[in-house]
Amino acid sequence: DIQMTQSPSSLSASVGDRVTITCRASQGISNSLAWYQQKPGKVPKLLLYAASRLESGVPSRFSGSGSGTDYTLTISGLQPEDFATYYCQQYYTGPRTFGPGTKVDIK
Amino acid sequence: QVTLRESGPALVKPTQTLTLTCTFSGFSLSTSEMCMSWIRQPPGKALEWLALINWDDDKYYSTSLRTRLTISKDISKNQVVLTMTNMDPIDTATYYCARLRTCDGIDIWGQGTMVTVSS
Repeated sequence: DIQMTQSPSSLSASVGDRVTITCRASQGISNSLAWYQQKPGKVPKLLLYAASRLESGVPSRFSGSGSGTDYTLTISGLQPEDFATYYCQQYYTGPRTFGPGTKVDIK
Repeated sequence: QVTLRESGPALVKPTQTLTLTCTFSGFSLSTSEMCMSWIRQPPGKALEWLALINWDDDKYYSTSLRTRLTISKDISKNQVVLTMTNMDPIDTATYYCARLRTCDGIDIWGQGTMVTVSS
């Protein structure tokens, strides 16, 4: 199975900050990566797929990049509604593993 | 409008088999490149992917749980069913049904159903 790791596991940031979350796969996944946002008590929401393609309706302050095994989610100009937990997920092959999540909270 | 709704028991006893049904509307699982998955999330913990079934009836399972899981679909009823055998308290979680529009990212999630395993 492809293992997914995320760093950091949590971070504190202020409104307006630029935030970067890293996701690493145990083998190359050819940009077959999705990012999700989950707020407490809520269902996860798809932000990006194919590593960098923004899901319809998602604000453009969210962006994704990467290749091979290493990918990043960037939030440019953190907004109050962005405080949440973020998960990456690979869908390249086999079981569609999630990363352990990165919690973004208010500094 | 696409909707997904999970149904099943809220409480199961250890060693019992859990059967969850996802009833959906607004799309067909017979459409090419359509997939559906089950994911779970224990209280306060991370998402865990469980199983996937696609339009062509291919099935994929979590490696650690594959001996306990079965996923199936009923196109005529617009349902996907997950069974998990030999339930244990550690399986206590919210179980989500989800759609993968082109078998990539999960674009639609059900609201989830909380399952508690306790005697």
